[in-house]
Amino acid sequence: QVQLVQSGAEVKKPGASVKVSCKASGYTFTDYYIHWVRQAPGQGLEWMGRINPNSGGTNYAEKFQGRVTMTRDTSISTAYLELGRLISDDTAVYYCGRTRVHFDSWGQGTLVTVSS
Amino acid sequence: QSALTQPPSASGSPGQSVTISCTGTSSDVGGYNYVSWYQQHPGKAPKLMIYEVNKRPSGVPDRFSGSKSGNTASLTVSGLQAEDEADYYCNSYADNNNLVFGGGTKLTVL
Repeated sequence: QVQLVQSGAEVKKPGASVKVSCKASGYTFTDYYIHWVRQAPGQGLEWMGRINPNSGGTNYAEKFQGRVTMTRDTSISTAYLELGRLISDDTAVYYCGRTRVHFDSWGQGTLVTVSS
Repeated sequence: QSALTQPPSASGSPGQSVTISCTGTSSDVGGYNYVSWYQQHPGKAPKLMIYEVNKRPSGVPDRFSGSKSGNTASLTVSGLQAEDEADYYCNSYADNNNLVFGGGTKLTVL
């Protein structure tokens, strides 16, 4: 069955960077986009961007341009989200999701806490 | 890209129907038939309920239905059940290969 398994919770200081992984199994990794979506405590879902695992091509939400990098390693069917220059407002659960257009499978979420 | 507009809350009694709206622009909801809806229970990942405006994935009850008119999409839950109480989010494909979510609606079953 399709599974997306994310890396564990992180605690970072303001100004630091965080890298979250999303390992895919149960399907051909390069056949679907991987998107990253975050959810701050008590808030809604926010789309951050996507990567095409086949080409490595990316699209980032304007809000995160210059601060976010999405990559992938096809040899281990894993996508990565790196977010830099962290501030307290980046404290959130970060989800990866598989799509063609709609999200039909999600990771379990990774809590990133930014605190001094 | 601004978030799509959803009412913050909606409610209904068991057995009743409730409709949640999702308003965007011609650059997202109105321009593409790629609106999807997600259900999220506390502490859980979202779950796909409707895709491409009105299609239901396997396993989702037919009490859930979707529609769209102009720049506004809607999710209707008929025959409300206690387990339908959750947050619901709409999502749309948007210009320039973007996606955008709605702010979310908390559905309460009275």
